[in-house]
Amino acid sequence: DAGVTQSPTHLIKTRGQQVTLRCSPKSGHDTVSWYQQALGQGPQFIFQYYEEEERQRGNFPDRFSGHQYPNYSSELNVNALLLGDSALYLCASSRYTGNEKLFFGSGTQLSVL
Amino acid sequence: TQLLEQSPQFLSIQEGENLTVYCNSSSVFSSLQWYRQEPGEGPVLLVTVVTGGEVKKLKRLTFQFGDARKDSSLHITAAQPGDTGLYLCAGGTSNTGKLIFGQGTTLQVKP
Repeated sequence: DAGVTQSPTHLIKTRGQQVTLRCSPKSGHDTVSWYQQALGQGPQFIFQYYEEEERQRGNFPDRFSGHQYPNYSSELNVNALLLGDSALYLCASSRYTGNEKLFFGSGTQLSVL
Repeated sequence: TQLLEQSPQFLSIQEGENLTVYCNSSSVFSSLQWYRQEPGEGPVLLVTVVTGGEVKKLKRLTFQFGDARKDSSLHITAAQPGDTGLYLCAGGTSNTGKLIFGQGTTLQVKP
């Protein structure tokens, strides 16, 4: 049973560029949440997708957007990259039944130069 | 704004010592989760506590949820080098899947 898979594992971009990160949830899970983890910090909630809609959003600007596909996979898009966007981006999947148990992927390490 | 404060932020101890990590907030959470994260990996769930005063044990790890559901602690007995990692507490609010994470405690256990 595959867990949460994320791609790519590492990415280097320059300021002003756009990036797309991808996530496939654990089998049986229908909800995907995205978190940003800066170096030496805990993860911060970006947003959550269920039934192809953004259900909740954290304190992140509109440059951060997402999408969920019918097969429950998800993408995180970041436009107009800033140096401060450099971080580990984590995808977590769960079931939208009220169970808060999240399974995390290994993340995408984004470096903005 | 809900915040979780973890202490200490860094801990370096010798193998066999005991330690306690604290997670405090002024907010009430419906659940409190503890994760362990290794470099280059995502956090892995260790335990979830949901009832005020609840105590859970996982081998040498003991987790406690405060009576008022605002704080939690993680106690490790006879720490081993394999316990080295980043320990994160996370508070859940209702059934939304959104977690509020603390800033983490980096634990290093020296052989």
